[in-house]
Amino acid sequence: ETGVTQSPTHLIKTRGQQVTLRCSSQSGHNTVSWYQQALGQGPQFIFQYYREEENGRGNFPPRFSGLQFPNYSSELNVNALELDDSALYLCASSLAPSGRTHEQYFGPGTRLTVT
Amino acid sequence: GQQLNQSPQSMFIQEGEDVSMNCTSSSIFNTWLWYKQDPGEGPVLLIALYKAGELTSNGRLTAQFGITRKDSFLNISASIPSDVGIYFCAGQRSGTYKYIFGTGTRLKVLA
Repeated sequence: ETGVTQSPTHLIKTRGQQVTLRCSSQSGHNTVSWYQQALGQGPQFIFQYYREEENGRGNFPPRFSGLQFPNYSSELNVNALELDDSALYLCASSLAPSGRTHEQYFGPGTRLTVT
Repeated sequence: GQQLNQSPQSMFIQEGEDVSMNCTSSSIFNTWLWYKQDPGEGPVLLIALYKAGELTSNGRLTAQFGITRKDSFLNISASIPSDVGIYFCAGQRSGTYKYIFGTGTRLKVLA
């Protein structure tokens, strides 16, 4: 069984640029959630994708957007990067969006630094 | 952003000691998850709880879903050096898909 993978591992961008982060869900999982984790804090929910559609969203501006593909992999796109976007971005996959099958399994994360 | 309150914030313990930590919320949750995160890595799921009063174990770890549904507890028995890390609780409210994470408890074990 393949776990959740994310790419790239690290990324350095300049303020105002755009970035795309990628996530492959655990085999058999159809739901992907994205989180932002600032240094010293717990993960903050960005949004969730289920059946290629956004299924729920946290308090993040529209410049944070995403996609889910037919193979359940997902992308997180951030436009007009700001310094405060520097964080660890985590992807979590689950068997379903809710219920007892909603146990989320995380990938190793992508460390984004905005200068 | 919104975070749940975890206590204690950090703790130093001797190897072999038992550890207790808790997570509290002002809202009712229908699911609680407990995670451990090592530096530079993603959180690893330890225990999942789905019912008020539920007590679930995973090796030396035991977690409980509080009967008020506003809190959860994690105990680690006979701690070992590899228990070092940050422990996060995460709660999910009924009818929502997102998990709200706690502020974390940083555990340091002295050999």
